[in-house]
Amino acid sequence: AQSVTQLGSHVSVSEGALVLLRCNYSSSVPPYLFWYVQYPNQGLQLLLKYTSAATLVKGINGFEAEFKKSETSFHLTKPSAHMSDAAEYFCAVSSGSARQLTFGSGTQLTVLP
Amino acid sequence: GAGVSQTPSNKVTEKGKYVELRCDPISGHTALYWYRQSLGQGPEFLIYFQGTGAADDSGLPNDRFFAVRPEGSVSTLKIQRTERGDSAVYLCASSLTGGLAIHNEQFFGPGTRLTVL
Repeated sequence: AQSVTQLGSHVSVSEGALVLLRCNYSSSVPPYLFWYVQYPNQGLQLLLKYTSAATLVKGINGFEAEFKKSETSFHLTKPSAHMSDAAEYFCAVSSGSARQLTFGSGTQLTVLP
Repeated sequence: GAGVSQTPSNKVTEKGKYVELRCDPISGHTALYWYRQSLGQGPEFLIYFQGTGAADDSGLPNDRFFAVRPEGSVSTLKIQRTERGDSAVYLCASSLTGGLAIHNEQFFGPGTRLTVL
């Protein structure tokens, strides 16, 4: 069984401030982890994914995430928020032979001017 | 280069009615997935097709839900005797092959918002 927990359904940051979106996972086998972003009326877009090749993963739009096995976490960060980062962000896990993704409940990011 | 498209974008129906939701995957993608996203929740897996066959339908909530992909491209999600609890955004995704998710990025459509009155 696999699951994902995203702490904080809403996060607000000022433009230029650090973005930190939290994700913790549960998996009985080594997980594959993903972050997706969803803009209004658009499909989910892959930001980055953890493949076990490196614990620090860099994605698009300046986002990165660090896999910490001891903490079962895969938090998403960006050093400096931009207004265009305002969207909903989903953490997801896939493990074992699963083809489908198991998503967290999402975090709505608001960027304040 | 069209992405995944879904029609209709919005569907309003009455309790007890039958609905069909359509998904056009990216051309050449052999794998297709349906997810359901309820308000305030992340997407939940419904069914996965590899080619024409349903490789995994373990996420379908009950036998009112059915999906087909007769020619290995377009897929239709069918819901019989709709209930108010079926109201959600239904998302479709496709990937080039049906291998492990880590190797086969899933590309998502914008979804169909279903409202059951």
